[in-house]
Amino acid sequence: DIQMTQSPSSLSASVGDRVTITCRASQSIAIYLNWYQQKPGKAPELLISAASSLQSGVPSRFRGSGSGTDFTLTITSLQPEDFATYYCQQSYSIPLTFGPGTKVDIK
Amino acid sequence: QVQLVQSGAEVKKPGASVKVSCRASGYTFTSNAIHWVRQAPGQRPEWMGWINGGNGNTKSSQKFQGRVTLTRDTSASTAYMELSSLRSEDTAVYYCAREGAPSHGPFDYWGQGTLVTVSS
Repeated sequence: DIQMTQSPSSLSASVGDRVTITCRASQSIAIYLNWYQQKPGKAPELLISAASSLQSGVPSRFRGSGSGTDFTLTITSLQPEDFATYYCQQSYSIPLTFGPGTKVDIK
Repeated sequence: QVQLVQSGAEVKKPGASVKVSCRASGYTFTSNAIHWVRQAPGQRPEWMGWINGGNGNTKSSQKFQGRVTLTRDTSASTAYMELSSLRSEDTAVYYCAREGAPSHGPFDYWGQGTLVTVSS
C-alpha cells in the first residue's frame, strides 16, 4: 500500500497569510495526487486533482504542485472560509489512500 | 447538477450487517464509478472499495474483503454498500463519492455521509 504523510499536522494562520501544506507519498505516484478540503460535519470537497488542476469553482488562491513523491498545496491569501482540514489522496493505485490531514485554524 | 444522496443514520449491534444506499442524479449513472469511503471520528478518510456504474465490476480494499458487498441498481441510479459482521471499530461516517474521470480519477462529488454506530 502507498503511505501518505502530510506536514504540518496543524497550523495557525491569519487572514491574508500565505499557507503551504506538503504531502509525501511512500513511492512515486506520478501526478495522481488530489487535495480535498473538509469542514466539521461535512463531506470532503475536491479542490485540486492531478497535482495541479484546479477544480471548477474553486478560487484561484488555491494552487497545487509537485510530482513523483512530493507535493504542495498553497493558499496564497488565506480567507475566513478556508479554515478547515486539508487532505491529500493518491489515486495512483489501489488501495487508494489519504494523508492524515492538516488542520488550518485561526491564529 | 450532480448530487449523491445517501440513506439515513443507522445504529447496529455487533455482529449485525448494515446496508447504505447512494442515489445519484444529474449525470448518467453508468458513466462513472462510485467509491465508498469511511471516516471514523477524528481520523483520516479510509477507502473501502468501488463499483463500476456501467458493468458492475467491483474492487474492495483487502481490509474489508469478505465483509463488504458493493452493488448497484442502474434503473434506480443507486449504489449500495453492505458491511457485515460489524464491530465497534466500524463506527464511522460512510460516504459514497463519484470518480470524476475513468482511471486515476479524483472523487469530484460526495454524498452527505451516513453515520453508522455499532454499539451493544
